[in-house]
Amino acid sequence: DAGVIQSPRHEVTEMGQEVTLRCKPISGHNSLFWYRQTMMRGLELLIYFNNNVPIDDSGMPEDRFSAKMPNASFSTLKIQPSEPRDSAVYFCASSLRAEKLREAFFGQGTRLTVV
Amino acid sequence: AQTVTQSQPEMSVQEAETVTLSCTYDTSESDYYLFWYKQPPSRQMILVIRQEAYKQQNATENRFSVNFQKAAKSFSLKISDSQLGDAAMYFCAYSGSIQGAQKLVFGQGTRLTINP
Repeated sequence: DAGVIQSPRHEVTEMGQEVTLRCKPISGHNSLFWYRQTMMRGLELLIYFNNNVPIDDSGMPEDRFSAKMPNASFSTLKIQPSEPRDSAVYFCASSLRAEKLREAFFGQGTRLTVV
Repeated sequence: AQTVTQSQPEMSVQEAETVTLSCTYDTSESDYYLFWYKQPPSRQMILVIRQEAYKQQNATENRFSVNFQKAAKSFSLKISDSQLGDAAMYFCAYSGSIQGAQKLVFGQGTRLTINP
C-alpha cells in the first residue's frame, strides 16, 4: 500500500483565496483525521470521520474551514477565505477503527503558506 | 477532556548513550492507548511504540522501551544506544477507548538532539 497520500505537498496562496487540501487514506481504513501543526499550538485535531461520517469537528477553528469525505477513499479540507494565520502544516491520518492497536498512519502533510 | 503533557521542550544526548523522554497525561478512562511518534525533519509522523493501558508489561521495540506507570499517569520513552538517526521531534499521544473517542491527543513534543 502507498500509505496515506496528501496533495499538494506545498501550497502558497494569497490571503482571501480558497484553498483545498486533499487526502487519500489507506485502502480499507475506516477512520480519517485532519490535524494542523503549528509551532505555537502543536498538533491539533481539526475533525475526524468514521465510515465517511464526521464524528467530531469541534477542532475546526471557524466557519472558514470545512471538510468533506464523499467516499471511503477521498477527503478534502477547504479554507475559504484563507488568512495568514492559517499558515501551518496540515496532516491527514487514517486508521482501522476496529483494529485494537489503534495505530494512526499519517500522510506527509501539506505545508500551507498564506501571504 | 484528556490532556497530554511533555515537560521537556528539548533534550540532547551523546551518541550511544541512553535518554529518557517524559510524558504525563490526564484521563478518567480506565482503558486507553498510549503512543510515541517520531517526526524527523522530513516531517513524516512515524509510530515508534505503543502501549495498551490494560497491559501491565512495558512495551519494547528494539532500542526503544517505555516506562508505563498507570497510577501516576506517566508514560516515558527510553532510547538506548542513541543513534544520529534518532534525532527528531518526539510526540506522546493518547487515544481513548470510548466509542467516538478514537482520536489521538498529542503532547507538545520534545526535540531530541544527538551529539556525535
